[in-house]
Amino acid sequence: EDKVVQSPLSLVVHEGDTVTLNCSYEVTNFRSLLWYKQEKKAPTFLFMLTSSGIEKKSGRLSSILDKKELFSILNITATQTGDSAVYLCAVEDYGNNRLAFGKGNQVVVIP
Amino acid sequence: GAVVSQHPSRVICKSGTSVKIECRSLDFQATTMFWYRQFPKQSLMLMATSNEGSKATYEQGVEKDKFLINHASLTLSTLTVTSAHPEDSSFYICSARAHQDEQYFGPGTRLTVT
Repeated sequence: EDKVVQSPLSLVVHEGDTVTLNCSYEVTNFRSLLWYKQEKKAPTFLFMLTSSGIEKKSGRLSSILDKKELFSILNITATQTGDSAVYLCAVEDYGNNRLAFGKGNQVVVIP
Repeated sequence: GAVVSQHPSRVICKSGTSVKIECRSLDFQATTMFWYRQFPKQSLMLMATSNEGSKATYEQGVEKDKFLINHASLTLSTLTVTSAHPEDSSFYICSARAHQDEQYFGPGTRLTVT
């Protein structure tokens, strides 16, 4: 069974801090790893990672995948209060066409 | 990006009644749609996968007679919660994908059963 473990489960930081979120996984036939941001509603897509070592960036957010050690990190630099959210990591298995989600990293950014 | 809508966004119903939730892909044809449930402070749990024109595949522990899924067209899937109970109160989210593309999530439906 596919498994996704995220850490830390929750953290509180001050505006301007840098946050690093971890996602480790076990999957039978890895297709991709995805990061989502969830505020009050449904998740919004951040990144899809398929290859090791290639950093993806979007503004202050970046993410990288290590397929040998089976983990990914999501970095948020110069955090703002609007970054407060739950960040979900999911892996997709070629075999069953499904996403398996981790429990999420709850990030609270205080002014 | 692709847009997926859900209706209603919020519904309150009485125990014992049935509720239907619609999921539509607005600007693409979704060969596969997924239904998730999310309880407070929990992650998304996949309930079932549906392919257009065929029966849904339910995850272990999800009662197919209670959660009826219909995927009658390439742009519409429905989830009907039958004989709803308070423990069915949850946030229900659908996602849709075209072939092997990424999944696009709908905005979710918050169901409260009183």
